[in-house]
Amino acid sequence: DAKTTQPPSMDCAEGRAANLPCNHSTISGNEYVYWYRQIHSQGPQYIIHGLKNNETNEMASLIITEDRKSSTLILPHATLRDTAVYYCIVRPFSGGYNKLIFGAGTRLAVHP
Amino acid sequence: DAGVIQSPRHEVTEMGQEVTLRCKPISGHNSLFWYRQTMMRGLELLIYFNNNVPIDDSGMPEDRFSAKMPNASFSTLKIQPSEPRDSAVYFCASSIDRVHNEKLFFGSGTQLSVL
Repeated sequence: DAKTTQPPSMDCAEGRAANLPCNHSTISGNEYVYWYRQIHSQGPQYIIHGLKNNETNEMASLIITEDRKSSTLILPHATLRDTAVYYCIVRPFSGGYNKLIFGAGTRLAVHP
Repeated sequence: DAGVIQSPRHEVTEMGQEVTLRCKPISGHNSLFWYRQTMMRGLELLIYFNNNVPIDDSGMPEDRFSAKMPNASFSTLKIQPSEPRDSAVYFCASSIDRVHNEKLFFGSGTQLSVL
């Protein structure tokens, strides 16, 4: 599976957009980009995933560059409850079993 | 739905004792995963079940670890004998879709401390 690179930590003011980058320059054609987050002392939570088109759901937006070598997770109006570790994962989206492998992630701190 | 339920929430035991962690997946989900999280190694996949059958146990650290899924609504992870280096948070996750498994639902975890 392709590796991902994320900044270890980021800050964001409450109410502002949080833009979390992820580099996946070795991504291959059948690999999707997934985002999960882990709030302190809880299990990871699925946020969103996508292949090449931008995606939006009730939690966030995912912007994938045209060459698919990087992506950005956008939390449009960050709240204190969005403080968490955010994991960017690339994974084949094909038939059969594929592991979801978590890296170190980005620790996002949302402050008042 | 109550989500993935794990028990106990916290477990403190002494080295050499047997430890059993329990997981109830979301009803209707047919895939189940056990993960372990430590500061040093992050989140590691230990084992994956599909339709109650172990498919991938390559992440199980050694023979002291074993996992079972006797039916669709229950799984256990057993450590015998336990060692201090097994101290970690153990998460169980379930998914409804074997083919894609894109959306895993995690439990709240079991914090294990082996003294």
